[in-house]
Amino acid sequence: QQQVKQSPQSLIVQKGGISIINCAYENTAFDYFPWYQQFPGKGPALLIAIRPDVSEKKEGRFTISFNKSAKQFSLHIMDSQPGDSATYFCAASKAGNQFYFGTGTSLTVIP
Amino acid sequence: DGGITQSPKYLFRKEGQNVTLSCEQNLNHDAMYWYRQDPGQGLRLIYYSQIVNDFQKGDIAEGYSVSREKKESFPLTVTSAQKNPTAFYLCASSPRDRRTEAFFGQGTRLTVV
Repeated sequence: QQQVKQSPQSLIVQKGGISIINCAYENTAFDYFPWYQQFPGKGPALLIAIRPDVSEKKEGRFTISFNKSAKQFSLHIMDSQPGDSATYFCAASKAGNQFYFGTGTSLTVIP
Repeated sequence: DGGITQSPKYLFRKEGQNVTLSCEQNLNHDAMYWYRQDPGQGLRLIYYSQIVNDFQKGDIAEGYSVSREKKESFPLTVTSAQKNPTAFYLCASSPRDRRTEAFFGQGTRLTVV
């Protein structure tokens, strides 16, 4: 059973546009929600993360929106650039133990 | 430079052979993890270890084995019992005080022919 569901599977956005990736989870015990960015042939790298006591976190062009009641969280990439083209994974964990990852979103930003 | 080193980057093996993937970290992290990545399936946990000489099975441990004799090292053996071993394997680690943050290596692509 997929603990974290991610959508869309792929996304194409024009340069300068907003990229939005959504994730949903079931286990209310999860207390940490990171997003990872992965380039082809490389390992994922932590992009931004949020805990359920806040509804939004912003770091530069990247923002996480968190809706605890709906058990959903999303990644917004503002002013998307071709260099943002990568695969993005959401994840959830409980007390820092096992991480559960979404299935990934392949983002392509076209010039 | 601190980090996680996986070797080799590419590995080819014949069907029926065991193969061991290396993962070394110099970040002084207590916890280490092995994930398998397949297209369209995200990252699935194979094994994890939170302390030396202790490790736990993840969601897809069948056909794999690990050891944690040193804090810095967490090798993964893909045995002949693993029915579909061709995949991209990722090792990660996290610190005890902020166990919530996982750092990944660059991965090993294993191809079994």
